[in-house]
Amino acid sequence: GQSLEQPSEVTAVEGAIVQINCTYQTSGFYGLSWYQQHDGGAPTFLSYNALDGLEETGRFSSFLSRSDSYGYLLLQELQMKDSASYFCAVASGSARQLTFGSGTQLTVLP
Amino acid sequence: NAGVTQTPKFRVLKTGQSMTLLCAQDMNHEYMYWYRQDPGMGLRLIHYSVGEGTTAKGEVPDGYNVSRLKKQNFLLGLESAAPSQTSVYFCASSLSYGYTFGSGTRLTVV
Repeated sequence: GQSLEQPSEVTAVEGAIVQINCTYQTSGFYGLSWYQQHDGGAPTFLSYNALDGLEETGRFSSFLSRSDSYGYLLLQELQMKDSASYFCAVASGSARQLTFGSGTQLTVLP
Repeated sequence: NAGVTQTPKFRVLKTGQSMTLLCAQDMNHEYMYWYRQDPGMGLRLIHYSVGEGTTAKGEVPDGYNVSRLKKQNFLLGLESAAPSQTSVYFCASSLSYGYTFGSGTRLTVV
């Protein structure tokens, strides 16, 4: 089976940088994804890493180390609107179906 | 561009009743998924489909059935609802690695 671990809560101030870590155990690994979910909303896709290294998309970056079964999401220049839950998820299986972590609640303070 | 549409958005059922949740996508995606999300937890995969006429079990399939008679629709059925099925249900579709989620169905079983 698959299992993922990520911190349950992170707090940071506006304008700061925050890193959310994710470690996983899985078989048939295709890649690591990150999703954002605001309260009461649907998860939205942020990034996908299939290969080792850093992927940058605007203020958000995601990193993967397959040998360490580890990844992180880096959020820069934090804004109040970034307060949300962030989920890492591993893709595996015939449909590259995602197994999600329990989520990290990010609170951005003014 | 509607994306993924779920109906209904809210529903209250009595124990033992049955219902069907409908998911429709207009992006011509092959893969479709049903997840449930309970408070403070990540999303858990119920069933998924790799194409029209196919379905497969996910992590928590018991008590649910699915059908994908048309490529754009993925139905989730509860034959005899139980209070343990109180949850938020999300449908998603994908072409490869990025999921598009619907807005969710909030189901309460009393």
